[in-house]
This record gives sequence, structure tokens and C-alpha cells, in this order.
Amino acid sequence: EDQVTQSPEALRLQEGESSSLNCSYTVSGLRGLFWYRQDPGKGPEFLFTLYSAGEEKEKERLKATLTKKESFLHITAPKPEDSATYLCAVQAIQGAQKLVFGQGTRLTINP
Amino acid sequence: DAGVTQSPTHLIKTRGQHVTLRCSPISGHKSVSWYQQVLGQGPQFIFQYYEKEERGRGNFPDRFSARQFPNYSSELNVNALLLGDSALYLCASSSFWDRGQETQYFGPGTRLLVL
Repeated sequence: EDQVTQSPEALRLQEGESSSLNCSYTVSGLRGLFWYRQDPGKGPEFLFTLYSAGEEKEKERLKATLTKKESFLHITAPKPEDSATYLCAVQAIQGAQKLVFGQGTRLTINP
Repeated sequence: DAGVTQSPTHLIKTRGQHVTLRCSPISGHKSVSWYQQVLGQGPQFIFQYYEKEERGRGNFPDRFSARQFPNYSSELNVNALLLGDSALYLCASSSFWDRGQETQYFGPGTRLLVL
């Protein structure tokens, strides 16, 4: 069964303090790994899609990387507006294009 | 461009009632998926439709059903509501079935409270 585990569950940083969020996954065959950002009471906002080990993508202060077993979301010099829950999801090659999500990492950036 | 839209935004029902949630995908997208998100957890897959056909079903009871219309909009129906059905219901759309086109874009969700 496809599974995603994110760590830590919650992370509190000072503004400007860089860190990384982890997403460990097991999947029968990876079609894609997705990162989303979710603000309270809102729908997830798409950030990145990664397809194969070694791939990296960047957007502003965020950088996502992928290995065969895990993905990292690196946050460089974060600002308070980066506070949100970050969700990781995998999609398998076989079957429906369903996303299997982790429980998310709740990130708080203090000014 | 308009994103995924969902209605209603909030809904309060009592146990045993029925509810219908609606979703309009991004223009040009032919696939719609439904997810349930309980507070503090990641979304759980319920259904996926592509070109008006069911392409996948998650581990949810038969009280949950869905359909997709010729204009690619979709409805999620839940019968005999239970307290545990209280959640944020998310709709996501994607454009095609092929690699590189499978990114799912989510709507704002419908918050359902069952009393």
C-alpha cells in the first residue's frame, strides 16, 4: 500500500532561520511526488511536481528535492507569510491518478 | 483565469440527512477528483472521474457516490450522514491523463458539519 510520512509534525522557526521538511514515501511505482501549501480553512495550493530521483525545483524561498525514498522541502530565510501547513503527496503509475497524502507539517515563522 | 470552484462553502446537516456538494473544474480540465480532509490530517481520496467515467474509488462506504456531467462539473453525494462525515471536502481538477499533465489543482473546499 502506498504510504507517505512527513516530519516533523510541527516546526517553529524565527524569521530568516532556514530549515528543511521531510517527506518519506513508499509507492509501487512513482508517477510523481507533489508538494502543496495549505492555509487554515483553505484548499491546498500547488507548489511543485517532482518525477524522478535527483530532480530539484525552486520557487522563491522554497526548493524541493527528490530521492528514491524521500523528498525534502528546503525553506531559505523564511518570512512570516511562509507560515502554513505543507503537504506532500505521491501518485502511483498504476491505477487511478489518486494522490496519497502525508499528514502535513505545520510551519510557523515568528517575526 | 478562474480556478476550481466549489459550492456551498459551508454546510450544516444533522445525522441521517443527505448532502450534495458541487464542483466546477478549471476550464479545459476533464478530470475531477474528490478528497475528504479531517482536521489535522492530510486529504483522503474518495473518487476520481475522467471524461465522465469513474476511474478510481477510495476506501469509503457506499453512502458516498459521485458523478461527472458533460460539462465536466461534478457532484459528490453523501447519504445517511454520520457525525464522522464532518470534514473539509475538496475537489481537484487536472487536465489530461498523460504524464506531465496530472497535477491536481484544488478548490477552496466545502466545510461540512454534521450535528
